[in-house]
Amino acid sequence: AQSVTQLGSHVSVSEGALVLLRCNYSSSVPPYLFWYVQYPNQGLQLLLKYTTGATLVKGINGFEAEFKKSETSFHLTKPSAHMSDAAEYFCAVSEGDMRFGAGTRLTVKP
Amino acid sequence: DAGITQSPRHKVTETGTPVTLRCHQTENHRYMYWYRQDPGHGLRLIHYSYGVKDTDKGEVSDGYSVSRSKTEDFLLTLESATSSQTSVYFCAISVIRETNEQFFGPGTRLTVL
Repeated sequence: AQSVTQLGSHVSVSEGALVLLRCNYSSSVPPYLFWYVQYPNQGLQLLLKYTTGATLVKGINGFEAEFKKSETSFHLTKPSAHMSDAAEYFCAVSEGDMRFGAGTRLTVKP
Repeated sequence: DAGITQSPRHKVTETGTPVTLRCHQTENHRYMYWYRQDPGHGLRLIHYSYGVKDTDKGEVSDGYSVSRSKTEDFLLTLESATSSQTSVYFCAISVIRETNEQFFGPGTRLTVL
């Protein structure tokens, strides 16, 4: 069965700094990979996804992620953090069933 | 865009009481899911449905039951609530079946005293 590991339950960056949220997965077949964002007291919103094709995928709000099969990783990045990026981020892998990582809470300092 | 509503949005109840949470979709998606969200665990699947009257268990189904009598409604029932079921519950629908991309409702915060 597939599983997801998000390294770092909390990440803190300064406004304008690079955001890097790490996600590693295990899967017996080429997976479908997702990043979701959750703002306080809200549901999860799809940020971006990898299904097939280009391994570098772009999402909303300037985020992007790269699927690296050899590293079984799907790390999320944003070149310059904004205060509005403060939220919890979930990586997920789908092989039919969807499995979520434990989440990473991103704090952005002014 | 798919639309999902959950009711109630907040509920406080006492141990031993039955509780039913409702998920309603405005689309006609076949697959629906109930998750619970707890700190350090992400989202864990409770039950899911693949059609009217067709349901199956997820990872953390003990203490929960579900029903789906109409395509648009998926009910989650806690027959006798316990404090360990204090959580935030999310309903989701599979909007792209091939990849199982899911769209989430706003959540229900349940507190069991």
